[in-house]
Amino acid sequence: DGGITQSPKYLFRKEGQNVTLSCEQNLNHDAMYWYRQDPGQGLRLIYYSQIVNDFQKGDIAEGYSVSREKKESFPLTVTSAQKNPTAFYLCASSIYGGPRETQYFGPGTRLLVL
Amino acid sequence: DQQVKQNSPSLSVQEGRISILNCDYTNSMFDYFLWYKKYPAEGPTFLISISSIKDKNEDGRFTVFLNKSAKHLSLHIVPSQPGDSAVYFCAAKGADGLTFGKGTHLIIQP
Repeated sequence: DGGITQSPKYLFRKEGQNVTLSCEQNLNHDAMYWYRQDPGQGLRLIYYSQIVNDFQKGDIAEGYSVSREKKESFPLTVTSAQKNPTAFYLCASSIYGGPRETQYFGPGTRLLVL
Repeated sequence: DQQVKQNSPSLSVQEGRISILNCDYTNSMFDYFLWYKKYPAEGPTFLISISSIKDKNEDGRFTVFLNKSAKHLSLHIVPSQPGDSAVYFCAAKGADGLTFGKGTHLIIQP
């Protein structure tokens, strides 16, 4: 049963703490993405990766970091430099990041600051 | 500067009638457009897409229309069902990936 999994569903961060959100896919997709959604807003691209060991900044990469050591995994770290981290984070993947591809989304992780 | 705009934050439609969700874009380099449906606290689900070389694409109850000269696309759902109540996002594909609108909350009234 192929798909994208994100964990945890809810995550709490203390001030000054780094937290890592997990994203795993078994769709054999080359491209993976991280988006952030705020209330009443569309999805904004944080980072994307079209191939293992390579990734590119999106529109709002400041305060975030990623790694892509395996094709199946694209974890996102929200660092203490991200001053407004409370949001709903969505991971997506597509076959190879081509121009006419559909991106498929995971269930999301809601990050809250304590 | 919003490149993809969904000007109606919400839309209420009676069950069985047609729902029409609109989306405008400003970047003429966008060449592929998608509609996603999203329930609260879940990831968006892909609904339907259209390439810029077409003006219509149909899939069951869902039809997307593209008017390139007006830089406008719309999603028609007919007949509307209670399970269609959700937030619908329009997205456009360009060189830098997907750009999303802010979404329209569709409410289907019984």
